[in-house]
Amino acid sequence: QLVLTQSPSASASLGASVKLTCTLSSDHSSFTIAWHQQQPEKRPRYLMKLNSDGSHTKGDGIPDRFSGSSSGAERFLTISSLQSEDEADYYCQTWGTGIQFGGGTKLTVL
Amino acid sequence: VQLVQSGAEVKKPGESLRISCQASGYTFSNYWINWVRRLPGKGLEWMGRIDPADSNTNYGPSFQGHVTFSVDKSITTAYLQWTSLKASDSAMYYCARGGWSDHWGQGTVVTVSS
Repeated sequence: QLVLTQSPSASASLGASVKLTCTLSSDHSSFTIAWHQQQPEKRPRYLMKLNSDGSHTKGDGIPDRFSGSSSGAERFLTISSLQSEDEADYYCQTWGTGIQFGGGTKLTVL
Repeated sequence: VQLVQSGAEVKKPGESLRISCQASGYTFSNYWINWVRRLPGKGLEWMGRIDPADSNTNYGPSFQGHVTFSVDKSITTAYLQWTSLKASDSAMYYCARGGWSDHWGQGTVVTVSS
């Protein structure tokens, strides 16, 4: 069964960097995923598509502060130079017969 | 690319409802439309998808038989419909484009209360 696992919460200081993790179930470790951001009271926003080799394609207007990388079954979203507006829920997502979301990580910017 | 959803709805249990998602800025038939639910305090949940080219649908296991997807290609609009709402359907509903959900509607909040 395809499962995406995310830590429920993360925190980092203003101006620092944070690395969020999405772990694919073992049988699906080669899958491509997408990362989405949902700020409070806003619609989700597509950040990037991230391949198993770490290559990624960002959505329109996504700042360079957002980058992706991969290692095995893990997919990472790194946000550098954290800003207050980065405080949001972050979801990974993949698809096969249907779409599967991870549980989301709530990022707090201290 | 834009996905514009219909406005907030307040309904009673047992009532029917159809909400919409109008697409523009791209070829409507070229991308699936997904429907995604966000319950209060919970994460994103995929409800299913519809292919505007042929109206082929896939429903998530939790939603099969409870909702219906449809499209009207002439007005590049996708619909999500309930025939008998429950209080537990109270949520925010989003449409999103394609397998990677690369564009999202602004959301439609549905409140079901007696």
